[in-house]
Amino acid sequence: DSGVTQTPKHLITATGQRVTLRCSPRSGDLSVYWYQQSLDQGLQFLIQYYNGEERAKGNILERFSAQQFPDLHSELNLSSLELGDSALYFCASSVVAGSGELFFGEGSRLTVL
Amino acid sequence: EDQVTQSPEALRLQEGESSSLNCSYTVSGLRGLFWYRQDPGKGPEFLFTLYSAGEEKEKERLKATLTKKESFLHITAPKPEDSATYLCAVQARSGNTPLVFGKGTRLSVIA
Repeated sequence: DSGVTQTPKHLITATGQRVTLRCSPRSGDLSVYWYQQSLDQGLQFLIQYYNGEERAKGNILERFSAQQFPDLHSELNLSSLELGDSALYFCASSVVAGSGELFFGEGSRLTVL
Repeated sequence: EDQVTQSPEALRLQEGESSSLNCSYTVSGLRGLFWYRQDPGKGPEFLFTLYSAGEEKEKERLKATLTKKESFLHITAPKPEDSATYLCAVQARSGNTPLVFGKGTRLSVIA
């Protein structure tokens, strides 16, 4: 158990809908990262927050947004969903920003029909 | 652009049959190279960090090595419980850069 909690574990929705994925980092970790994993693309970095502030942005679509709240939990919002958004979405956390030693949650599997 | 290529994509070994996984990388100044293990339906789990060419790290049956262009994950006398996908990632030295992951090697160890 990494100590990172993600909800929901599974989510099935329709194209055009909006969903919110939630992540609670390990106790004491200030940095949160979101990754998308698909079969053909592997793990792709989306966005990073540190203590509530956005620190780095990857190839995150404009339809996606995220935030980190004062209690350090984070949410990833995915809107106007397309079939291609079906993937595993992982949250990870680390004590310091920019660490390469990340602790990953078990992921949220999103299926868009 | 930083890139990581892992080979082979999949590897099937008999229990006790040692082998190596390869991770080739290009990065604009290496801060660190990282190995992770991912079991089906789970998130990646951190294994090793390597910082400079010539460095080696060991953990049970796994040994990771690093050169200026690639890293190897050597698996000695593997057991079925070593079956997993092994991911390699690099982090560039400049600024607050995120990890760039390879697509992984899916290892199956047959008893």
